[in-house]
Amino acid sequence: QSVLTQPPSASGTPGQRVTISCSGSSSNIGNNYAYWYQQLPGTAPKLLIYTNDQRPSGVPDRFSGSKSGTSASLAISGLRSEDEAEYFCASWDVSLPSWVFGGGTMLTVL
Amino acid sequence: QVHLQQWGAGLLKPSETLSLTCAVYGGSFSGYYWSWIRQPPGKGLEWIGEITRSGNTNYNPSLMGRVAISGDTSKNQFSLHLNFVTAADTAVYYCARMNYYDHYGSLHWYFDFWGRGTPVTVSS
Repeated sequence: QSVLTQPPSASGTPGQRVTISCSGSSSNIGNNYAYWYQQLPGTAPKLLIYTNDQRPSGVPDRFSGSKSGTSASLAISGLRSEDEAEYFCASWDVSLPSWVFGGGTMLTVL
Repeated sequence: QVHLQQWGAGLLKPSETLSLTCAVYGGSFSGYYWSWIRQPPGKGLEWIGEITRSGNTNYNPSLMGRVAISGDTSKNQFSLHLNFVTAADTAVYYCARMNYYDHYGSLHWYFDFWGRGTPVTVSS
C-alpha cells in the first residue's frame, strides 16, 4: 500500500470543479512540501504543482494546490475532457527516509 | 525543452542484474539531481534513489545493498543497476530530473521532468 492515501477515482462533468485529496502524516506532508503530477496514458508523468501550491510555467491556472496539516489537495476548475488522466501526489518522508507517493487517482470527465 | 530518453533490457531472469540508462537532452546535466522511480503492476510508485550534483548517491533503504546509480557527465547520462532481481522487481521504471526550490537558502528538491518509463519483467 502507498504511504500517501488518495481516492482511487474521481469524476466530474465539463466545466465543473473537482478536488483530489492526498492524506499523509507528520513525517511527510505534515512537515514537508507536497507535489502533484498528471499522467496521461502511455506518457511520462508531468509536474502540475510543486511546493504545495506553485504552478510551473505552462500549467494552466485551472490547476491549484493546497496543504493543510498532514493532507494536501489538488483542485481542477473548469474541467475539460483533456484533464482525464491519473493524478498522484508525492512528498519526502523524513522517517524512512525516502520519497513517498500516493496510489494515484484516475479522473474521469463524464 | 528537457527530454529524458531511457532504455535497457526489458526481460530478465531471477538473480540477474537490471541495467537501465537515461539520457538527458535539452538541458544542463550537472546542475540537477537525477532519480529513478518504479511502479510495479497495480501498485503505487516507489522511489529507488538519486545521484546528486556532486555525484553522491542516496537510495531507498528498502533497496540498499542491491542498487547502484551512476552518472556520466560527458554523455549527459545516468544509469541504474539493480542486482539479484526477483519477480518483485517487475515494474515500469522511470528516470526523472530533480529541480530545486530555494526557500531562504534551504533547497527543496523535487521531480520536474520524467522519462516515459521502461517496463521490466523478471520471470524464469
